[in-house]
Amino acid sequence: DVKVTQSSRYLVKRTGEKVFLECVQDMDHENMFWYRQDPGLGLRLIYFSYDVKMKEKGDIPEGYSVSREKKERFSLILESASTNQTSMYLCASSRDNYEQYFGPGTRLTVT
Amino acid sequence: GQSLEQPSEVTAVEGAIVQINCTYQTSGFYGLSWYQQHDGGAPTFLSYNALDGLEETGRFSSFLSRSDSYGYLLLQELQMKDSASYFCAANQGGKLIFGQGTELSVKP
Repeated sequence: DVKVTQSSRYLVKRTGEKVFLECVQDMDHENMFWYRQDPGLGLRLIYFSYDVKMKEKGDIPEGYSVSREKKERFSLILESASTNQTSMYLCASSRDNYEQYFGPGTRLTVT
Repeated sequence: GQSLEQPSEVTAVEGAIVQINCTYQTSGFYGLSWYQQHDGGAPTFLSYNALDGLEETGRFSSFLSRSDSYGYLLLQELQMKDSASYFCAANQGGKLIFGQGTELSVKP
């Protein structure tokens, strides 16, 4: 059974803190993605990676960075958290881009 | 710009058939995916159309017309457990662009 896990289900951080969200997949997928989901806005792509140490900007990369040192792990970093980054963060992985497997999500609150 | 349009809400009764439409305007289009997301859950993949026509998977079918930049998801024999949000997503080759989602409510 395919599995994508995320480090936390809920996270509360203060404005200005550096935040790390981790995602691990056990399917040996090349492609990994980070999205944020906000009511009425659907899923918006932040960054994606198609190989180790490779990264591509998505539609809303500002304020975020990513790291992919190992094939199975893709980290999202908020360099200096702000209140407008309060959101649900979803990680996904895929072999074929169109069929993505999602993790359970991390609901981040920045106060 | 790049966008996908789908209705925000649809309501139907148990046992009925419902169609969720999606129109898209994207560059580098390779196909259209559909995902289901229950409240509090993760999106799960339902189907994918790379070519024009109908794809059937059990009670769910998906259709694509490239010439009309249009697709739909058809859900038959609706069950209460089908109440969820449904997203269409355009495959741009390296990534997906998601629509804003359609919240389906199935009533008894």
